[in-house]
Amino acid sequence: EDQVTQSPEALRLQEGESSSLNCSYTVSGLRGLFWYRQDPGKGPEFLFTLYSAGEEKEKERLKATLTKKESFLHITAPKPEDSATYLCAVQANTGNQFYFGTGTSLTVIP
Amino acid sequence: DAGITQSPRHKVTETGTPVTLRCHQTENHRYMYWYRQDPGHGLRLIHYSYGVKDTDKGEVSDGYSVSRSKTEDFLLTLESATSSQTSVYFCAISVAGGYNEQFFGPGTRLTVL
Repeated sequence: EDQVTQSPEALRLQEGESSSLNCSYTVSGLRGLFWYRQDPGKGPEFLFTLYSAGEEKEKERLKATLTKKESFLHITAPKPEDSATYLCAVQANTGNQFYFGTGTSLTVIP
Repeated sequence: DAGITQSPRHKVTETGTPVTLRCHQTENHRYMYWYRQDPGHGLRLIHYSYGVKDTDKGEVSDGYSVSRSKTEDFLLTLESATSSQTSVYFCAISVAGGYNEQFFGPGTRLTVL
């Protein structure tokens, strides 16, 4: 069964304190792994797609990496505006359905 | 902004009443999706569409039906709403044939009393 597990569930950081969020997955064959940001009361906002182990993508203070079993979202020197819930999803190469994790709620304290 | 709107944005209804949620897109993308989001479960796929009149079930389709008579509109219907269908509903589109990133609408918060 295709599954996605995100950890930690919640993370509080001081402004400038770098950290990483984890997304571990089991899927029959990975077509793609997707990271989203979701602010309260809004729809998920697309951040990155990763397709193969070893791939990395960067956007401002965020960097996503992928191995054969997990992905990390590294946040460097976060700011309060980075506070949000970060969602991970995988798509298997047997279909086009996405499987989402339950997210990591990030709070960055000034 | 993928040009996705959802209506209504908020709705309160009573158990047993029918409810229809609308998703509208402005860019004629072929693939459209309906998800529900609940605490502890993340986003779960209800139904999706890969063209006008072409739809298929997702992992939580029981109690829901969909219709797509025009490319731009994808409707989700709860034939007889139950309290377990209280949730936030999101519509999404895929811009690359269903095999790449999805873009989400703003959501509809539905409460069934």
